[in-house]
Amino acid sequence: DIQMTQSPSSLSASVGDTVTLSCRASQTIGSFLNWYQRQPGKAPKLLIYAASSVQTGVPSRFRGSGSGTDFSLIISGLQREDFGTYYCQQSYSTPWTFGEGTKIEIK
Amino acid sequence: QVQLQESGPGLVKPSETLALTCSVSGGSFSGYSWSWIRLTPGKGLEWLGYIFYSGRTNFSPSLKSRLTISLDTSKNQFSLKLSSVTAADTALYYCARGVRGDDYMDVWGEGTTVTVSS
Repeated sequence: DIQMTQSPSSLSASVGDTVTLSCRASQTIGSFLNWYQRQPGKAPKLLIYAASSVQTGVPSRFRGSGSGTDFSLIISGLQREDFGTYYCQQSYSTPWTFGEGTKIEIK
Repeated sequence: QVQLQESGPGLVKPSETLALTCSVSGGSFSGYSWSWIRLTPGKGLEWLGYIFYSGRTNFSPSLKSRLTISLDTSKNQFSLKLSSVTAADTALYYCARGVRGDDYMDVWGEGTTVTVSS
């Protein structure tokens, strides 16, 4: 199985900050990398697919980058509603696997 | 707009079979994969398996011997059955639609909590 490692595991930031979440794959996965946001009581939300494509309806402050083994999710101008846990997921090969998540708290 | 909703018993006894249903509204089954994923405190998010409209399935090797996923297009539902459950199967279970090609999951249900306990 491909192992996905996310860092940091949690962060606390203020409204307006720019935050960068990292995700590393244990082997090359091309651009088969997706990012999701999970908030308690809500359906998880797809933010970015294929490493850098922004899902329809997702605010432009979310941006994804990377290829191969190293990927990033950048949130420029953090908003209060961006709290939650962010997961990366590889879809290069089954079993599809997720990172452990980065929990974002808004100060 | 496609919506997914999970349903099933919230409590299952050890060694029994966990059965969940995902009801799909507002869209077609064809052209997509239909997955089950779970969230546990210990393992985080874990993809369990998917089914295509054709009926072809793909399961996580760690669960393959215990897992069944089926599709009932007449009821707009797909289902999960996990046999011989233990406390380790206690989790928040999600269903999701997958877009073929890049294989990302673009629509998810809100999840249903299942506890395995006697």
